[in-house]
Amino acid sequence: SAVISQKPSRDICQRGTSLTIQCQVDSQVTMMFWYRQQPGQSLTLIATANQGSEATYESGFVIDKFPISRPNLTFSTLTVSNMSPEDSSIYLCSILSPDGVPYEQYFGPGTRLTVT
Amino acid sequence: AQSVSQHNHHVILSEAASLELGCNYSYGGTVNLFWYVQYPGQHLQLLLKYFSGDPLVKGIKGFEAEFIKSKFSFNLRKPSVQWSDTAEYFCAVRSYTGFQKLVFGTGTRLLVSP
Repeated sequence: SAVISQKPSRDICQRGTSLTIQCQVDSQVTMMFWYRQQPGQSLTLIATANQGSEATYESGFVIDKFPISRPNLTFSTLTVSNMSPEDSSIYLCSILSPDGVPYEQYFGPGTRLTVT
Repeated sequence: AQSVSQHNHHVILSEAASLELGCNYSYGGTVNLFWYVQYPGQHLQLLLKYFSGDPLVKGIKGFEAEFIKSKFSFNLRKPSVQWSDTAEYFCAVRSYTGFQKLVFGTGTRLLVSP
């Protein structure tokens, strides 16, 4: 398995500001994913981030609102831009297993964002 | 589009009771199936998975799940729950086609009373 860390673990932000969330993995991985877990709801995929290419966004999510960077095989950032209270969620970074185990997916500890 | 349904949003059991959490998915092709668990204050952990072969799969901590293809179901079971099983359980499905996107159910909160 791999160790995934996220920074910050939580933050309280004001409406209209932006927050950048960092995801660091202790192994090189090709595919990284960003998920959102809104209060009382399940996980929703925001985008898939492959190193060296533009992120692929799911329906309902756009690059202007959630820009993603993937500068290398161990790191990614997700920015939540021009925040509103509706963006209050847990944001999770995820990877496919780097150990050769097919299709297993691991999750970071999440970043709990509250927008006031 | 793929979707995953978990029928029970909240389940309350006493210790030693048996557990079965339902999961149904809507996708006609070949799928990978997963159950994840999120203990209070911790991050998501993989409980068990089904890729192929024996439809009865065993996971960690005494959990098992049965894949019934004809019913598009992948129910999670445990014969005797413990207080430490209190957590939120998520069923997830990934299709073999497309971008390996993992789709989650809405989750079931399990509370086990001692």
